[in-house]
Amino acid sequence: EAEVAQSPRYKITEKSQAVAFWCDPISGHATLYWYRQILGQGPELLVQFQDESVVDDSQLPKDRFSAERLKGVDSTLKIQPAELGDSAMYLCASQRSGTAGGYEQYFGPGTRLTVT
Amino acid sequence: AQSVTQPDIHITVSEGASLELRCNYSYGATPYLFWYVQSPGQGLQLLLKYFSGDTLVQGIKGFEAEFKRSQSSFNLRKPSVHWSDAAEYFCAVGAIDSNYQLIWGAGTKLIIKP
Repeated sequence: EAEVAQSPRYKITEKSQAVAFWCDPISGHATLYWYRQILGQGPELLVQFQDESVVDDSQLPKDRFSAERLKGVDSTLKIQPAELGDSAMYLCASQRSGTAGGYEQYFGPGTRLTVT
Repeated sequence: AQSVTQPDIHITVSEGASLELRCNYSYGATPYLFWYVQSPGQGLQLLLKYFSGDTLVQGIKGFEAEFKRSQSSFNLRKPSVHWSDAAEYFCAVGAIDSNYQLIWGAGTKLIIKP
């Protein structure tokens, strides 16, 4: 069964350093999401891509966060500089299409970020 | 505004007992509804979904959910829980008019007593 891949699984970084996360969605899935999840809370959408285009990045803190999906396949989320409050789980999800029947999202295992 | 409410932050159930996790939504149109499960330190796994048709839907791991339009609810049930069901459960509603994004509940943590 195809899966969403994410790396690294764990990342510890110091405050003010740069950090990057990578996601490879399920083959053929045009829509890709990045979420941030604080322990004990639901996922919070950061950015949504349709192919290589950003559909929604209204919740992305653009002063320090950036995301790209240059060829419409895999994606990178970057934080620079990292702050203590960025410690969280970062989840990537993919979706086959934006139409009914292809609505469900499939999640990767996540990257647990700890900022010290 | 669209929203999803999971009224129970924690639920404790004895192993072998039945389970019901509550989910209420607020959405103007016909909703697309989902339940996901998350084990500690892991990503989210889709348990089941409702798009249309039969309001009682079956999912993986022996779970089922019932859509009740009159009550704006989509409660998750399992007749007999196993210790491996201990996890966090999230209800979500799909918003066609919001780029097919999912609106998430805050989650319910299921604790299994031996």
